[in-house]
Amino acid sequence: NAGVTQTPKFQVLKTGQSMTLQCAQDMNHNSMYWYRQDPGMGLRLIYYSASEGTTDKGEVPNGYNVSRLNKREFSLRLESAAPSQTSVYFCASSEELGGRVGYTFGSGTRLTVV
Amino acid sequence: EDKVVQSPLSLVVHEGDTVTLNCSYEVTNFRSLLWYKQEKKAPTFLFMLTSSGIEKKSGRLSSILDKKELSSILNITATQTGDSAIYLCAVDRYLNSGGSNYKLTFGKGTLLTVNP
Repeated sequence: NAGVTQTPKFQVLKTGQSMTLQCAQDMNHNSMYWYRQDPGMGLRLIYYSASEGTTDKGEVPNGYNVSRLNKREFSLRLESAAPSQTSVYFCASSEELGGRVGYTFGSGTRLTVV
Repeated sequence: EDKVVQSPLSLVVHEGDTVTLNCSYEVTNFRSLLWYKQEKKAPTFLFMLTSSGIEKKSGRLSSILDKKELSSILNITATQTGDSAIYLCAVDRYLNSGGSNYKLTFGKGTLLTVNP
């Protein structure tokens, strides 16, 4: 099925370890996003990419880097994981069609940093 | 800075009750307001509302935007236990004056619990 695919679904890291969260969409969307969700906090934007080759910071970018590898893929990297980065991470993509914007979310990555 | 505020943050009701969830916003270059339902996984889309003020309905759920008050409500009538979820409000806005890029800003959500 078409959509946004995130890997891995679950991950446990030790403090200081690094990892990359992968996201790919097959809907030919221009814009892609990374959000984190903590209890009682809704979803907060980490980084976004309005189009291939561009990335910008969102509300909570510290401790993260991103790469828009091509139109399909947008990865999120934690260089040195900290317990404060324990969260559920969602990738999303969007496209405007006829004046309406459709956002599609991945199923999420639950990350625990110990 | 963009602001999206939802109230209440949590709500416990009995099956059959009617609930009203609130969302207010302060953003520049407003485009639309979206409601999502989130159970265990990713948010699932419910409604998109624009400044046209047209009410949206789907079964027992309905929503409307008040562009003067910069707010929206989501109504659920005859609630069922399956309505238990986090309801998220998000505002979609243009990132630039050209209007070619946009992003979503979410509120903290309302946790609705429907007891049998």
